[in-house]
Amino acid sequence: GDSVTQMEGPVTLSEEAFLTINCTYTATGYPSLFWYVQYPGEGLQLLLKATKADDKGSNKGFEATYRKETTSFHLEKGSVQVSDSAVYFCALSDRRGNTPLVFGKGTRLSVIA
Amino acid sequence: KAGVTQTPRYLIKTRGQQVTLSCSPISGHRSVSWYQQTPGQGLQFLFEYFSETQRNKGNFPGRFSGRQFSNSRSEMNVSTLELGDSALYLCASSLGPGVNTEAFFGQGTRLTVV
Repeated sequence: GDSVTQMEGPVTLSEEAFLTINCTYTATGYPSLFWYVQYPGEGLQLLLKATKADDKGSNKGFEATYRKETTSFHLEKGSVQVSDSAVYFCALSDRRGNTPLVFGKGTRLSVIA
Repeated sequence: KAGVTQTPRYLIKTRGQQVTLSCSPISGHRSVSWYQQTPGQGLQFLFEYFSETQRNKGNFPGRFSGRQFSNSRSEMNVSTLELGDSALYLCASSLGPGVNTEAFFGQGTRLTVV
C-alpha cells in the first residue's frame, strides 16, 4: 500500500537557522502531497500542498517541491522562528481524493531563541 | 466560519466501558474522516463518511464504529475499551471526494482508558 517516510525527530534548531525535513513516499499512481503542522494541544493544520510533479507548495515561508523522479517532498524554511516549534507531518492521498490521507510518523521541531 | 468541532475535548474511561465521540464538520462539508493518533503508531485512518455512507474503512477491529447523520455531523463509538485505545482521536471534514479537496481537522478528543 501507499506509505510516507519522513525523517525521525526531534529536530532542534536555533532561531534563524535553515530547516529541512525530509519526506519520501511510495504510491501507486500519482498522488497529491501535503505537509500538515500540529501545534501543542491542537489538531492538524494544512501547511502546504502540491498536486503534480515539479509543483512547489509554499506558505508562511515554508516550501516543498513535488519531485516525482526521487518520490520526495522535502519541507524547507530559510529562517525558522520560535513560533515554528511544532510537529510536522508529510502526507499523501490519491489525486481524486478518493482515498484517505496517509501520514508519515511526524517530525517534532523545537526552535530555541 | 466555524471550524471543525469535536466534543468532548478530554475523556477518561475504564477498561470495558464504551465511549462515543462527536464531530461537527464545517458548514457545507459533507465528508468526515476519523483518525487515531498515538505516539507509537502515529496517525492511523479509522473511517470516512460521505452523505451518511461509509466510503472507506481502516484496519481497526469491529469495536470501532461510526456513523454520519443527515446534517453531516458524525459520531464514532468504541466498545469494550482497552488500555491501548488511549489516544487522540481526530476528525477531519472536507467538501467531499474530488481533486484538491482540503481536509480541515478539529482539535481532537483525548481519550484515556484506565
